[in-house]
Amino acid sequence: LAKTTQPISMDSYEGQEVNITCSHNNIATNDYITWYQQFPSQGPRFIIQGYKTKVTNEVASLFIPADRKSSTLSLPRVSLSDTAVYYCLVGPWGSSNTGKLIFGQGTTLQVKP
Amino acid sequence: NAGVTQTPKFQVLKTGQSMTLQCAQDMNHEYMSWYRQDPGMGLRLIHYSVGAGITDQGEVPNGYNVSRSTTEDFPLRLLSAAPSQTSVYFCASSGPGLGGETQYFGPGTRLLVL
Repeated sequence: LAKTTQPISMDSYEGQEVNITCSHNNIATNDYITWYQQFPSQGPRFIIQGYKTKVTNEVASLFIPADRKSSTLSLPRVSLSDTAVYYCLVGPWGSSNTGKLIFGQGTTLQVKP
Repeated sequence: NAGVTQTPKFQVLKTGQSMTLQCAQDMNHEYMSWYRQDPGMGLRLIHYSVGAGITDQGEVPNGYNVSRSTTEDFPLRLLSAAPSQTSVYFCASSGPGLGGETQYFGPGTRLLVL
């Protein structure tokens, strides 16, 4: 399974756009990239998933360059409620079904007023 | 649609005691998993199941047992609790949704072993 590397922590201010980059140099052809968000005392929550180029939903955007060796989660105009840990995971379709997705330490985002 | 539910929310055990953490989902997902999360750490997979009657070990299975007699339920048993098992336990089920293949997590069970 592709190993991921992401910053341990990031700080931002309300209203700013936040970009969290994840490196996955050994990503395989059939791997997808998935991001989860975890608030304190809660289970992780799915944010977005993509394979290549750009994916956007009502919460975030995911940018994946052509070589797919990295990906960037973009959170537009963050608020205090976006303070959380963000996990980048890489694995083939079906890997979450077999429990093969590996959660690292994630990136702790602190949004300040 | 309750999603993934877990009971109890909190539990205090003495070393050597046994207990069962309950997990249920109402999304008809075939795949379910148990994770533990220690303070400041990511989630580590304990056991998972790809369907009723089928279970397999994850990264940290020692000291835990699971069974899957129905699609809905996936209980986790601590055989003889140890202080090293103090953690937050999350159950998850997996299936398509939200624009991708998604794991849905329960609210967690906080376990303290004295």
